[in-house]
Amino acid sequence: QKEVEQDPGPLSVPEGAIVSLNCTYSNSAFQYFMWYRQYSRKGPELLMYTYSSGNKEDGRFTAQVDKSSKYISLFIRDSQPSDSATYLCAMKSQAGTALIFGKGTTLSVSS
Amino acid sequence: GAVVSQHPSWVICKSGTSVKIECRSLDFQATTMFWYRQFPKQSLMLMATSNEGSKATYEQGVEKDKFLINHASLTLSTLTVTSAHPEDSSFYICSAETGTGQETQYFGPGTRLLVL
Repeated sequence: QKEVEQDPGPLSVPEGAIVSLNCTYSNSAFQYFMWYRQYSRKGPELLMYTYSSGNKEDGRFTAQVDKSSKYISLFIRDSQPSDSATYLCAMKSQAGTALIFGKGTTLSVSS
Repeated sequence: GAVVSQHPSWVICKSGTSVKIECRSLDFQATTMFWYRQFPKQSLMLMATSNEGSKATYEQGVEKDKFLINHASLTLSTLTVTSAHPEDSSFYICSAETGTGQETQYFGPGTRLLVL
């Protein structure tokens, strides 16, 4: 079993739809959780950061962490064509250590 | 958010030559920087972790003599691909940890290397 599992998709939705992206993990020591967005041939861009369990909202994006289920989610409301990208979940157990990434989910939002 | 730059953004070189890639944290000091490589349609693969002033820690299977990493200051880390071969062609990305207590990592824009 991989440490972080993420469905690679692709996921196709119409403009305006609510998108749900998810990752599961196996290491209960993880406590820092991040979502990155990566456009083709670009470096990943940090979207959301969450420490431990809970919800965090930033504009159209909401991140949820459920440590009891080892499950994290990213919701995108009112999706736009510009949201079309690969979304990577990432997590780690402590500072100074490398992030463990999911494989990434490719999202396509059609107008 | 914090900004990380990489230079060059792309490079083409002949087989057997060495290539140096720079990674800079522009508006914060990064005690820890990370180097990744990414193949098309795949996720990021960690190559090494570098802390300022000390030797880098390489992941299993990454040749430290081939991929030389130097982290001489809190804002600069370099990756040198020595005696590059076509199989080293890839997208190389660095990231830097802010160390502000949030432990977030910010990524550079990446460097595309093509070895002919």
